[in-house]
Amino acid sequence: DTGVSQDPRHKITKRGQNVTFRCDPISEHNRLYWYRQTLGQGPEFLTYFQNEAQLEKSRLLSDRFSAERPKGSFSTLEIQRTEQGDSAMYLCAIQTSGPRGRNEQFFGPGTRLTVL
Amino acid sequence: GENVEQHPSTLSVQEGDSAVIKCTYSDSASNYFPWYKQELGKRPQLIIDIRSNVGEKKDQRIAVTLNKTAKHFSLHITETQPEDSAVYFCAASQETGTASKLTFGTGTRLQVTL
Repeated sequence: DTGVSQDPRHKITKRGQNVTFRCDPISEHNRLYWYRQTLGQGPEFLTYFQNEAQLEKSRLLSDRFSAERPKGSFSTLEIQRTEQGDSAMYLCAIQTSGPRGRNEQFFGPGTRLTVL
Repeated sequence: GENVEQHPSTLSVQEGDSAVIKCTYSDSASNYFPWYKQELGKRPQLIIDIRSNVGEKKDQRIAVTLNKTAKHFSLHITETQPEDSAVYFCAASQETGTASKLTFGTGTRLQVTL
């Protein structure tokens, strides 16, 4: 257990529908990341939060994607008007910044999205 | 931006042999290099990492080496066991006060045969 849960674990949707995923760190973590992993590839960075502030967004994050972390704890990732190319595993990762600036990121179990 | 290349894409070794996976990175500002192991259908799990102020780090059967001049780093697994079979990903990032996004390689599928 890495201290991160994600919900749902699997989501099947039809093209054009909206979907929302949730990431819940079990304890307080300053930084929270979203990555996307397609079959046979490594995770790709989407966006990250320092507390409730969204500090960076990848070019992969089109205007159909939006992420929030309203109280600096859990985070949501929404995809509007889903396309088949959005089918992937969406991974949330947490990181605690310490006095030595440690950068260990620990992943949640992921949400596997299938767009039909 | 950072680009990480990883080789080989697949690796088959006999149980007890050593396995070596190599990665190169492009951004000389990168200073943190973790390795993740991902079993089928599961999350990537951090197995070892190294920072640019260190040339080598060991943890039991796993070791990682870093050559900053050549911008490459490697994972070494000794005395491989069947449970080492998985996909391994290298990654690179630049640790700063705020930004620490990871750029991953494309993965190496390691198969340990009996």
